Parts: sequence; C-alpha cells; structure tokens
Amino acid sequence: GNSVTQMEGPVTLSEEAFLTINCTYTATGYPSLFWYVQYPGEGLQLLLKATKADDKGSNKGFEATYRKETTSFHLEKGSVQVSDSAVYFCALSDHPGSARQLTFGSGTQLTVLP
Amino acid sequence: ETGVTQSPTHLIKTRGQQVTLRCSSQSGHNTVSWYQQALGQGPQFIFQYYREEENGRGNFPPRFSGLQFPNYSSELNVNALELDDSALYLCASSLVGTPKYEQYFGPGTRLTVT
Repeated sequence: GNSVTQMEGPVTLSEEAFLTINCTYTATGYPSLFWYVQYPGEGLQLLLKATKADDKGSNKGFEATYRKETTSFHLEKGSVQVSDSAVYFCALSDHPGSARQLTFGSGTQLTVLP
Repeated sequence: ETGVTQSPTHLIKTRGQQVTLRCSSQSGHNTVSWYQQALGQGPQFIFQYYREEENGRGNFPPRFSGLQFPNYSSELNVNALELDDSALYLCASSLVGTPKYEQYFGPGTRLTVT
C-alpha cells in the first residue's frame, strides 16, 4: 500500500536559518505529492504540490522537487521566520492529477526562535 | 468565498455512545472527505463522498458512516464509540473535474471518548 515517511521532529531553528524536512514515499504508479501546514488550532492548509516527476512546487519561499528516482519530496526554505512555526505534513495521492484519498506522513513540528 | 466549517469544535462522549459530526463544504465544492487525526499523527483517510455517494473508503470499520446532502454539507457518524476513536476529525472539500482539485480543510472537531 501507499505510505509516506517524514523526518521526525521536533525541529528547532533560529530565524533566517535554512530548513530541510525530508519526505520519502512508497506508492504504485505515479502519485501526486503535497506539503500541508497546520498552525495551532487550525486545519490543514495546502502549502505546495507537484503532480509529476521533476516538477518543483513552490509557495511562500518554500520549495520541494518531485524526485521519482529517489521517491522523495523534501521541503526546503532558505530563510525561515518565526511565523513559519507549525506542523508540516507530506502527503500523496495515487490518483494522477488529483488530491483524492490523501495518504499523510506523521508530521514534523517546526519551531523557529527569534 | 466561505471556507470549510465544522461543528461542534469539541465534544466529549462515553464509550458505547454514538456521535454525529457536521461539515459545510466550501462554496461550490462537490466532494467532501473525512479524515481522523490521532494526537501526534498524520490524518488518516476515512471516506469521501461525491454527489451524495461514497466514492472511496479507507481502512475504517462500518461503524464509521457518512452522508452528503444536496447542498454539499456532510455528516460523519460513529456508532459504538471506542476509546481509540478519540481524535481530531477533519473534513475537506474539493471540486472534482477542474484544475482546482486541492482539498481545503476545515478546523476540525476534537472528539474525546471516555
């Protein structure tokens, strides 16, 4: 079956530090890949997505590249801010081009200190 | 544009009881999905409804059931509650058939079973 493995947290960084959160996946076929962010007391918000190999998703300074050869979709940001503190979830959907039936990783808690 | 809303925000039930959670989809969306998020874990897909029919189900027993209404609001019903049903229940809506296939999540309902 499908699965997503994320780097375990929590991750604590100083403001303006470089961020990487690792994500690898197992899926049949060609899944779509997503990063969601969850702020305290809120639901999940889509951060970025990629629907095919070598696609790069980007939003708000975050980037992730769909690497089929390594089955990875690592999240990166060059300079984090205190407001980026949240839980980040990597997810996949094995319905091509669709977000149906998302399979999520266990989440990575990020805390950014001023 | 109205976002996804869920009610109630929190509730406490006793083992063996039944519970109904409600979700109002984002305006214009025709698909709703439900997820269970245990503490410290990623969301797990329960099921999805499209045009009032179940359109996919995760690994959850039949005591988890749902409804989708013509106005695209939805209910999640759980019978014979167990302690392990304690979790955050997330509703997500999307618009199948357009490029905007992302799932938009509500803030969730926190269920505690004692």
